[in-house]
Amino acid sequence: GAVVSQHPSRVICKSGTSVKIECRSLDFQATTMFWYRQFPKKSLMLMATSNEGSKATYEQGVEKDKFLINHASLTLSTLTVTSAHPEDSSFYICSAEDRGDTEAFFGQGTRLTVV
Amino acid sequence: LAKTTQPISMDSYEGQEVNITCSHNNIATNDYITWYQQFPSQGPRFIIQGYKTKVTNEVASLFIPADRKSSTLSLPRVSLSDTAVYYCLVGAVMDSNYQLIWGAGTKLIIKP
Repeated sequence: GAVVSQHPSRVICKSGTSVKIECRSLDFQATTMFWYRQFPKKSLMLMATSNEGSKATYEQGVEKDKFLINHASLTLSTLTVTSAHPEDSSFYICSAEDRGDTEAFFGQGTRLTVV
Repeated sequence: LAKTTQPISMDSYEGQEVNITCSHNNIATNDYITWYQQFPSQGPRFIIQGYKTKVTNEVASLFIPADRKSSTLSLPRVSLSDTAVYYCLVGAVMDSNYQLIWGAGTKLIIKP
């Protein structure tokens, strides 16, 4: 099946710094990528949908200035958590859809810990 | 309010068939129903997807009734490695807006 690579898998950062998470589709072109956040023992929460070459669409309650999403190419989307705080500590997961396909492929996830 | 509902947890034994049902009102007319498996600290893994009736692949079957307001994931002859959380995902239309709605997940524990 299609492969989505997410990097880094784990990151620890200091409060106030910014962290960038990359999501790459390795063997297909992803016109749409999704970013999710998962709190402990909770379901995935969709944060935003990004389409290549356009601005991301954020879900209600998600601060677009805090969670910057860039989808500059058909194989790469990035999520930058700006001025991170301990409450931003979470598991972040991306997924990507192949062109014309309804199946989404997920990255491995990134465990962010803000200290 | 669009919502998906699935059992919080289930137990079963190796070699048994396990059925997990997800109810989903307000599912979008043309949208698929997808099930994912997630192990701790990993991203969800696609299991199966269907639109209606029955779909079968090498790992599972998916049963969807005609009204599409629910779906049942069927795992044949489970093993210990099937212990995971299983999520259903549907698209729903709320106030003319399309949304992806995840179930809360069913924690499946397989015992020897």
